[in-house]
Amino acid sequence: NAGVTQTPKFQVLKTGQSMTLQCAQDMNHEYMSWYRQDPGMGLRLIHYSVGAGITDQGEVPNGYNVSRSTTEDFPLRLLSAAPSQTSVYFCASSYSNRLADTQYFGPGTRLTVL
Amino acid sequence: AQTVTQSQPEMSVQEAETVTLSCTYDTSENNYYLFWYKQPPSRQMILVIRQEAYKQQNATENRFSVNFQKAAKSFSLKISDSQLGDTAMYFCAFRRNSGNTPLVFGKGTRLSVIA
Repeated sequence: NAGVTQTPKFQVLKTGQSMTLQCAQDMNHEYMSWYRQDPGMGLRLIHYSVGAGITDQGEVPNGYNVSRSTTEDFPLRLLSAAPSQTSVYFCASSYSNRLADTQYFGPGTRLTVL
Repeated sequence: AQTVTQSQPEMSVQEAETVTLSCTYDTSENNYYLFWYKQPPSRQMILVIRQEAYKQQNATENRFSVNFQKAAKSFSLKISDSQLGDTAMYFCAFRRNSGNTPLVFGKGTRLSVIA
């Protein structure tokens, strides 16, 4: 049981490049989400999914796309990277979106956009 | 909108001593959960403790306990017998019981445990 895994751990992009941050969980969790963490701030929600085929926007969705074709995977796509997207990105999952369910976080991806 | 405020950007404590981290929140909801997460230098977010708003009894997990004051909307974390491994960022988070609600995080408190 690997929990929540994220790849890559580090990435450097040039402005305008695109890339996909991968997130996978092997706990059969329905609820998955992406957060970004910027210096001096807590985590802010980008997108989330309550199950395969269902996604919705969080607090800061602009510049990011997501899809949920399987229960296990929830990739985050940057279509045209901008320096403002330099951040640490965390994927999280929980069994459901019920209040009591604990969210499990991945180790994070540090992204730098030049 | 819900907000979570951590007023102490940085704190330090001597090993084996006790430290309290503050958190206040703003909500009009009556049923919700509060959490403390720890983020060590490895960046992994680790759940430390959680509190259900409808429970009056304060949650405890080994050396970690909370002081939950619902009327004051306060949720502080007490770490007893501090250990070097407790050095980390600590985030307070709120989740309301309504629809598909995400966690709302405070900005964090950086705790250093000094030998």
